[in-house]
Amino acid sequence: NAGVTQTPKFQVLKTGQSMTLQCAQDMNHNSMYWYRQDPGMGLRLIYYSASEGTTDKGEVPNGYNVSRLNKREFSLRLESAAPSQTSVYFCASSEQALWANEQFFGPGTRLTVL
Amino acid sequence: AQSVTQLDSQVPVFEEAPVELRCNYSSSVSVYLFWYVQYPNQGLQLLLKYLSGSTLVKGINGFEAEFNKSQTSFHLRKPSVHISDTAEYFCAVSSHAGGTSYGKLTFGQGTILTVHP
Repeated sequence: NAGVTQTPKFQVLKTGQSMTLQCAQDMNHNSMYWYRQDPGMGLRLIYYSASEGTTDKGEVPNGYNVSRLNKREFSLRLESAAPSQTSVYFCASSEQALWANEQFFGPGTRLTVL
Repeated sequence: AQSVTQLDSQVPVFEEAPVELRCNYSSSVSVYLFWYVQYPNQGLQLLLKYLSGSTLVKGINGFEAEFNKSQTSFHLRKPSVHISDTAEYFCAVSSHAGGTSYGKLTFGQGTILTVHP
């Protein structure tokens, strides 16, 4: 039982390049989330998927797109990377998108945009 | 809207000393409160959560937190810390305001706890 896995672990991009961050969970959770973590700002929600087939914007969605490929997988795409997107990205999942549910986090992807 | 403020960005302590990490929140509706811990180069994991009932909540690794509704606080405490407790700690709030406000956590800025020998 791997929990939440993310690939890649590290990535360096040049401004304007695109990339997709992959996330998968094996806990049969319905809901999945993408956060970014910046120093002194905690974690901020980019997008979430309450259930397979649905996605919604979070606090900081600009410059990102997501795809809920199936129940297990939730990807985050940067179409044209900018230095402001340098951050650590975390994927999380929970049994339901309910306010009491614990979220389980992946190990993160460290992205640098030059 | 909900928000979380962690009052200390860094807390240095010596091993076996007690520690308190402070968290205040604001929300206009009922809340659920969480503390997560992030060890170096890892993802976050849940330490404890307050949903309802007793205001003193016990979590993993000897940590506990007390929900104080009148002061809108949820401070984390441990009576005796270990070197292995060195990590970043995040307070988070989730509130239900109907509509699409489901399961979205709002995190504080984080408190880095450093335990010195």
